[in-house]
Amino acid sequence: EDKVVQSPLSLVVHEGDTVTLNCSYEVTNFRSLLWYKQEKKAPTFLFMLTSSGIEKKSGRLSSILDKKELSSILNITATQTGDSAIYLCAVYNNAGNMLTFGGGTRLMVKP
Amino acid sequence: DGGITQSPKYLFRKEGQNVTLSCEQNLNHDAMYWYRQDPGQGLRLIYYSQIVNDFQKGDIAEGYSVSREKKESFPLTVTSAQKNPTAFYLCASGTPIYGYTFGSGTRLTVV
Repeated sequence: EDKVVQSPLSLVVHEGDTVTLNCSYEVTNFRSLLWYKQEKKAPTFLFMLTSSGIEKKSGRLSSILDKKELSSILNITATQTGDSAIYLCAVYNNAGNMLTFGGGTRLMVKP
Repeated sequence: DGGITQSPKYLFRKEGQNVTLSCEQNLNHDAMYWYRQDPGQGLRLIYYSQIVNDFQKGDIAEGYSVSREKKESFPLTVTSAQKNPTAFYLCASGTPIYGYTFGSGTRLTVV
């Protein structure tokens, strides 16, 4: 059974701090890893990672995959209150043709 | 505009009552998915359908039922057999390789 574990479960920081969110996985026939941000309702897509060691970047957010360690990190620099959300990690395996989600990390950024 | 529409946004269920959550997409996606999210947690797969007239159980299918008579529609019924149905329900469509598109969710509460 595929498994995705995220840490920490929750995190409280102040504006301007840098945070690192972790995602580890056990998946047969790994294809890709995805990060989503969920504020109030529908998760919105952030990144898809398929190759190890290649950083993907979007503004203050960046993410990288380590296939050897079966893990990924999501970095957010110079955090803002608008970054407060649940961050979800999901992995895709070829065999199941579906995403398996982790339990999420709840980030709260205080002014 | 293409997207996924879930209705209603809020739903209240009495004990012993069946309720149906609607999910409609106009993205021409073959695959559709139902997830349950409990407060502060990640997404757990209830049911999914890769093609019309076919669907499979996910990790927590007990107490739920679905149908897929049309490509655009994938309704979820929460039956009286589901003992703890209070949760946020998300519908998604798409293929994992490109990332899912999510609806805006239905919040179900037992009264």
